Amino acid sequence: AQTVTQSQPEMSVQEAETVTLSCTYDTSENNYYLFWYKQPPSRQMILVIRQEAYKQQNATENRFSVNFQKAAKSFSLKISDSQLGDTAMYFCAFILNNAGNMLTFGGGTRLMVKP
Amino acid sequence: GAVVSQHPSWVICKSGTSVKIECRSLDFQATTMFWYRQFPKQSLMLMATSNEGSKATYEQGVEKDKFLINHASLTLSTLTVTSAHPEDSSFYICSAPIGAGGYNEQFFGPGTRLTVL
Repeated sequence: AQTVTQSQPEMSVQEAETVTLSCTYDTSENNYYLFWYKQPPSRQMILVIRQEAYKQQNATENRFSVNFQKAAKSFSLKISDSQLGDTAMYFCAFILNNAGNMLTFGGGTRLMVKP
Repeated sequence: GAVVSQHPSWVICKSGTSVKIECRSLDFQATTMFWYRQFPKQSLMLMATSNEGSKATYEQGVEKDKFLINHASLTLSTLTVTSAHPEDSSFYICSAPIGAGGYNEQFFGPGTRLTVL
């Protein structure tokens, strides 16, 4: 079974600063995808960024980038130039390829961006 | 992107009554939908996988007679909480992937807040 662990229940960052959220996962499979989802106070889940395990290059989406270390099974999210609207719960998630699209979520990190 | 809707967004019911929550894929067909439960400040817990035209697959520990799932069409799955009790109060979220093979991006509904008095 796959597990996803987020070791930081809560974090805070000053507006315009950079913050990194940690995520580790455990799997014996080799073909999978990793995601970071954002859940703002509205509670609507929003996909932030996706990483294919077969790709060595780290994914980036504007101010969001990941540090994917496959051997270490680590998948951290870096948010640059933090904005007040980034305040939310962030969930790391994992999905096996060809496994019925079933997502496994980490416990979440609550991020507060302070003005 | 694709849109998944849920109805109602918030429901309050009396203990012992049943509540139905709808999950619709508005602009795509979904042979599979997922139902999650989320307690305050916690992660999403997968309850069941809803399969169009067949029985749902429930996760361990989820009572199938308590949480009835019906996926009657390619755009609609319903979750019925039967004989609801206060401990069933929670936030329920559905999601649906586009496509059926390999990896397919999932789209989430906005959630339904259930309060059982």
